[in-house]
Amino acid sequence: TQLLEQSPQFLSIQEGENLTVYCNSSSVFSSLQWYRQEPGEGPVLLVTVVTGGEVKKLKRLTFQFGDARKDSSLHITAAQPGDTGLYLCAGDMGGGSNYKLTFGKGTLLTVNP
Amino acid sequence: EPEVTQTPSHQVTQMGQEVILRCVPISNHLYFYWYRQILGQKVEFLVSFYNNEISEKSEIFDDQFSVERPDGSNFTLKIRSTKLEDSAMYFCASSTATQYFGPGTRLLVL
Repeated sequence: TQLLEQSPQFLSIQEGENLTVYCNSSSVFSSLQWYRQEPGEGPVLLVTVVTGGEVKKLKRLTFQFGDARKDSSLHITAAQPGDTGLYLCAGDMGGGSNYKLTFGKGTLLTVNP
Repeated sequence: EPEVTQTPSHQVTQMGQEVILRCVPISNHLYFYWYRQILGQKVEFLVSFYNNEISEKSEIFDDQFSVERPDGSNFTLKIRSTKLEDSAMYFCASSTATQYFGPGTRLLVL
């Protein structure tokens, strides 16, 4: 069973602070996705990382894939109330035509004005 | 921007009834998936579908579940005889490589 552990599970910060969310596994993933999910809605893709050590930036969000492709982090700079939401990491082990995703439990971020 | 759509958005049914959840994947995508998310829990893989057949299914996807691509656009999940524990959000996803999710169908089994 592949497990993706996300930490912290809950995070409440003030507007303007920086934060980092972690996603760790003992398994190697071909790619790892970060999604954001609002209550009652489907996960919305933020980024896909595929290469060990890869860093991608999306405005104030920085995503990093670990060198061994077993872990990833999401760093948000100067958080804003609009960043509030559930952040999910999900990995696929690739191979064949499958690409099923294994999800973490998510980090629920609250940014207070 | 192309998106995955799902209908209905909400479904309430009695235990033992059959339900069909519908999805329209993104048009040029080749791989299709169903996931579910029980309230407060993580998103779980149910089944993947490629080239008109199931490519993988989880242990959750037992004989009560089936999937079908009845035409060139729709992808359906059927639950033959619903149980209370089938209550969850059901998400359809499609991909060429990266998976894009639909908004989900909230299923409540009473």
